[in-house]
Amino acid sequence: AQKITQTQPGMFVQEKEAVTLDCTYDTSDQSYGLFWYKQPSSGEMIFLIYQGSYDEQNATEGRYSLNFQKARKSANLVISASQLGDSAMYFCAMRARPGASGGSYIPTFGRGTSLIVHP
Amino acid sequence: DAGVIQSPRHEVTEMGQEVTLRCKPISGHNSLFWYRQTMMRGLELLIYFNNNVPIDDSGMPEDRFSAKMPNASFSTLKIQPSEPRDSAVYFCASSLGGRLSDGYTFGSGTRLTVV
Repeated sequence: AQKITQTQPGMFVQEKEAVTLDCTYDTSDQSYGLFWYKQPSSGEMIFLIYQGSYDEQNATEGRYSLNFQKARKSANLVISASQLGDSAMYFCAMRARPGASGGSYIPTFGRGTSLIVHP
Repeated sequence: DAGVIQSPRHEVTEMGQEVTLRCKPISGHNSLFWYRQTMMRGLELLIYFNNNVPIDDSGMPEDRFSAKMPNASFSTLKIQPSEPRDSAVYFCASSLGGRLSDGYTFGSGTRLTVV
């Protein structure tokens, strides 16, 4: 079975500082993908960044980077130079390739972390 | 591309009434997902279609919920009869589906309130 754990219900950060949002996952599959989504107060779910389990380098997308530590099964999101518009809920998600180990094609989402950026 | 389109954006209905939520996925996407989001339970997968065929409906809470995908460009989620505990935001998402890196594009959601 797949599981995503986001242990931080809420995080606060000062504008222009960096912040790390934690995500740990559990899967027995060797091949899987990890995603982060942002949900602002308006409600839409916005894709931020993707990391494949076989990718050797950490993914980066502008101010977003993914600190991928495969042995520890963690995929933390790092937001550099926080902006007021970064205030939102952030969700970590995983999908694995279906196979004999029971990996599910269906994405599994964590409970989310609420980030508030202070001016 | 207009993205995943959901309608209506907001729905307020009385308990016992039928509610139909609609979704138009991105053209060319093979997979479609219906999610429900509440504060208590987070984001829950209700049902998943691949090439218009329902693959996994284990998340559908009970028989009052049903979903259809008559063609590649349209899906509905129906609740009959609706109950106050069905109040939530319902998201539709679509994906190309063929690769692990294929992300999920979400619609704007339908905020359902059952009074």
